[in-house]
Order: sequence, then C-alpha cells, then structure tokens
Amino acid sequence: SQQGEEDPQALSIQEGENATMNCSYKTSINNLQWYRQNSGRGLVHLILIRSNEREKHSGRLRVTLDTSKKSSSLLITASRAADTASYFCATAPPGTYKYIFGTGTRLKVLA
Amino acid sequence: DAGVTQSPTHLIKTRGQQVTLRCSPKSGHDTVSWYQQALGQGPQFIFQYYEEEERQRGNFPDRFSGHQFPNYSSELNVNALLLGDSALYLCASSFGRSGNTEAFFGQGTRLTVV
Repeated sequence: SQQGEEDPQALSIQEGENATMNCSYKTSINNLQWYRQNSGRGLVHLILIRSNEREKHSGRLRVTLDTSKKSSSLLITASRAADTASYFCATAPPGTYKYIFGTGTRLKVLA
Repeated sequence: DAGVTQSPTHLIKTRGQQVTLRCSPKSGHDTVSWYQQALGQGPQFIFQYYEEEERQRGNFPDRFSGHQFPNYSSELNVNALLLGDSALYLCASSFGRSGNTEAFFGQGTRLTVV
C-alpha cells in the first residue's frame, strides 16, 4: 500500500512561475526525501529533510515538513522547461530500512 | 565519483524464464536496496542488503531473491517470470547501519516479459 500521496497528481505551469507540490503520509517518520524522475528513468535525489527539521533549501528548491500534519511540500522557484518531470516523496518510518513512495506529481513546465 | 550503476539498461525475457539484474553502489556506500516501479506508479520496496545479508524484505514472493557481494555490489534474481513482472527495476545505495541517510538511485533496468 502507498504511504505517501502527492498532490496534485499533475501540474502544468509557465516557465518562470513557481511550482508547489505536496506530500501527505500516514505514519511517523525518521526522514522524508524528495526525488525527480524524468520519463521513466532513474530517480534523482533532490533533498532529505529529517523529522526534527521544519525547512530546508537547496538552490531553487524549498522543502517544508510539518510532522503534526504528516505533510511536506516542495517548492520549485522560477521554474524552467528542464524541471519537467515526475516528483516523488519517500518516507522512512522508524524501525524500518525501506522508503515508501507516493504516486508522484507530474510537473510540466511550458516554455 | 561514479554514482549508482545498473546493468543491463533494457531486457526482454519470456514468461517462465529467469533474470539477473546487477547494481554497483555509489562509492563509499555499503547498503543496496531494490525497488520495482510499474508504469505510472511509485517505486515499491523489494528488499535491502547490508553486510551481505538481506536486512528487510517487502511484500514480494520468493521468486525474487538477491545477493550482495563483499565489494557491496548486488544482484536481483527473478525466477519463473510472469507478465506482471514487467517494470522498471531500480537499485538504491546508501551508507550506514541506521538506514536514516540519503538514498541514491541508479538509472534502472527496464524489464519486459513477453
């Protein structure tokens, strides 16, 4: 079963706009990671945020984590056509070694 | 610094056959996990290897087996292939005993069962 659910399932924006996607999960977690996947290829690691962190930045990416609401958001600022991809959140429940993925958000950035 | 490498990139097999997929972890990593990703879905955890032993297993039948070698590389074996085994198989590597670290993925092996 899926632990995480990304929202929206699909998002289409113009180049230069910001893109926000959300992830909700069901159990407590050690950490949460965001990944990008282009056209069914491998997953590219974007950022890891631990359960005791509330916000992290990496370049044009900003991730927030609200453990009380069991949710996270990924903001991509000043989007580019090259950001077109599927984005997944993956959570690591305590006491396990596996990451549980959601179904992803398909982002399309129009030039 | 080489990232996670997987081979082969594509593979076509017939129902009932057996397949072996290979993964070399990122330099400095000692843990390898395998995931199956069906079209339009998120990756599903198959199992994880650490110190040459299976540390955790997901909800996959015994037809799925693996191995980790002393150099930390890993193999995924699938026996008696079914049409439903057609998927992208992803290998992820990470470091450390805790499991609470970044996991880096390879480009995957696209398996098609006909």
